[in-house]
Amino acid sequence: QSVLTQPPSVSGAPGQRVTISCTGSSSNIGAGYDVHWYQHLPGTAPKLLIYGKNNRPSGVPDRFSGSKSGTSASLAITGLQAEDETDYYCQSYDDSLTGWVFGGGTKLAVL
Amino acid sequence: QVQLQESGPGLVKPSQTVSLTCIVSGGSITSGGYSWSWIRQNPGKGLEWIGFINNSGDTRYNPSLKSRVFISGDTSKNQFSVKLRSVTAADTGVYFCARGIVAAGTVGEYFHPWGQGTLVIVSS
Repeated sequence: QSVLTQPPSVSGAPGQRVTISCTGSSSNIGAGYDVHWYQHLPGTAPKLLIYGKNNRPSGVPDRFSGSKSGTSASLAITGLQAEDETDYYCQSYDDSLTGWVFGGGTKLAVL
Repeated sequence: QVQLQESGPGLVKPSQTVSLTCIVSGGSITSGGYSWSWIRQNPGKGLEWIGFINNSGDTRYNPSLKSRVFISGDTSKNQFSVKLRSVTAADTGVYFCARGIVAAGTVGEYFHPWGQGTLVIVSS
């Protein structure tokens, strides 16, 4: 059971917009900690997508964006492409656990 | 460009200690402002932070693993390692090393970059 809750799967057609939610609590996201997002193709190194208040590392297209409100956060992907089909994880910090926490991951299917 | 590469034994017997190493290239583990973490992914599950060592050699561990984990650094080889003792099948998974960063204007660390991971199988 992950501290941060993500939907197991989402799907969308090419060109569409999808969002992936990440729900936490008052000891992590609600405590003011930023939520960061990673893209992970199994067998490869996880890749940082979004950090802090909607910042993208060099090379990440602006089709990816992040937002946060209260105890939840979301990753939005616009102009869905076949190459986006993989796993996505959210991450934050938790005061109660005094450590970093992740979501359980969401598998994105591009139909 | 910082790169990380994990290595480990692959197969470990239950109750033994598994040791994994992360070699860092393109940057120093003594550089200020960074920490160096171990993170794992059990089969079919999400990611779990194991612990970190920072540039000063201070360590912090996930409370759920604290009694079994030890992280150390070797500045001469620019690498850091994790030892997990008394392993069980529940410790089977892919183990990643990653650099932790706190950027200006960001509340809380994020991890970038990551290594590709090393698979650990606990089995007799």
